Amino acid sequence: AQSVTQLGSHVSVSEGALVLLRCNYSSSVPPYLFWYVQYPNQGLQLLLKYTSAATLVKGINGFEAEFKKSETSFHLTKPSAHMSDAAEYFCAVSDGSQAAGNKRTFGGGTRVLVKP
Amino acid sequence: EAGVVQSPRYKIIEKKQPVAFWCNPISGHNTLYWYRQNLGQGPELLIRYENEEAVDDSQLPKDRFSAERLKGVDSTLKIQPAELGDSAVYLCASSLGRGTDTQYFGPGTRLTVL
Repeated sequence: AQSVTQLGSHVSVSEGALVLLRCNYSSSVPPYLFWYVQYPNQGLQLLLKYTSAATLVKGINGFEAEFKKSETSFHLTKPSAHMSDAAEYFCAVSDGSQAAGNKRTFGGGTRVLVKP
Repeated sequence: EAGVVQSPRYKIIEKKQPVAFWCNPISGHNTLYWYRQNLGQGPELLIRYENEEAVDDSQLPKDRFSAERLKGVDSTLKIQPAELGDSAVYLCASSLGRGTDTQYFGPGTRLTVL
């Protein structure tokens, strides 16, 4: 079984400040990890994914995440927040197997508020 | 390229009424997913289709929920009868289906049951 815990349901940052969203996972097999962003009244959009290649993954909109096996973490960061980053962010885990059908297990989400 | 299309975007019904949601996946995507997203939570998988076959429906409440994907393209998710607890956003996603392929999500249908 796999699970994801996102620490902090709400995060408030100032424009230009570092964005750090925390994600810890549990998986019995080597995981594949994902970060998604969801803007109001929209579906989820993939920001980035880790699929066992480089542990530092760069995504869209200036976001990146680092896979740390020893800490079972996949935290998302962005050096400088922009007003357009205000959204909800979801971390997800998959075992990557075709047999499991590419199934994702999602965390509860972290809502980001960006202050001017 | 068109994304995943869902309709309606919003639906308000009274409890015990039936409701249906429609999804048109990205062309060529063999795998289709229906998720339910409760307020303040992440999406939870209800059912997954590989072409027209439902290969994972373990989380689908089969007493009131049903789904179909005729001809392996469009899909419909139905609730009959709806309960208050069914209020949520119902998301459809599609992917090529291999391993870690990206899942592309539609905008969802927000259901409110009164």
